[in-house]
Amino acid sequence: SYELTQPPSVSVSPGQTARITCSGDALPKQYAYWYQQKPGQAPVLVIYKDSERPSGIPERFSGSSSGTTVTLTISGVQAEDEADYYCQSADSSGTYGVFGGGTKLTVL
Amino acid sequence: QVQLVQSGAEVKKPGASVKVSCKASGYTFTSYGISWVRQAPGQGLEWMGWISAYNGNTNYAQKLQGRVTMTTDTSTSTAYMELRSLRSDDTAVYYCARVNIVVVVAAAQPSYYFDYWGQGTLVTVSS
Repeated sequence: SYELTQPPSVSVSPGQTARITCSGDALPKQYAYWYQQKPGQAPVLVIYKDSERPSGIPERFSGSSSGTTVTLTISGVQAEDEADYYCQSADSSGTYGVFGGGTKLTVL
Repeated sequence: QVQLVQSGAEVKKPGASVKVSCKASGYTFTSYGISWVRQAPGQGLEWMGWISAYNGNTNYAQKLQGRVTMTTDTSTSTAYMELRSLRSDDTAVYYCARVNIVVVVAAAQPSYYFDYWGQGTLVTVSS
């Protein structure tokens, strides 16, 4: 079955830039999406179609894509950004959805 | 405003079935799909499948095919997910989410994402 690979954890100090990667063979043919999940809460969409930001999401969240890897970048990280982040996409045919394993962002 | 409100927590015995509901409001129900995503305790998100509220077409995750059924009732704007032959490793929070479909122009393939989520329903499977 198709898989997306994320690093388990990323740590940054407040004000620095956090970059979370997600790799998958079908990413050149499929968009990637990013969700933020805080403890005890439902996920929230923060990036769609690789790099688009939904209304209400701060400008410090951005996304990019290069080949089989997509990246979520959080510029000027704030304490409130500490959360789990998941990438999501689909297999190359668009039939089956898939989530990455998640990355825990720690703000030191 | 868009809202997805799920049914309450369930406790089931191994081998039983569970049916979780997801009532949508604030948008035209048949213009979007509904996906179901689950999260076992301390684990990541797992896509279970999705259903088109327009025509009832479904796609299920391969590991759940044969045990899961997703349906909709357009008269009440409610989606349902039934999981049968429950096992202990089905213990999880189950989320419904609204599905947006877009086209990946470069590849002429459909792509979908989840822009609104329900609050989650805890299903515990225990003898």
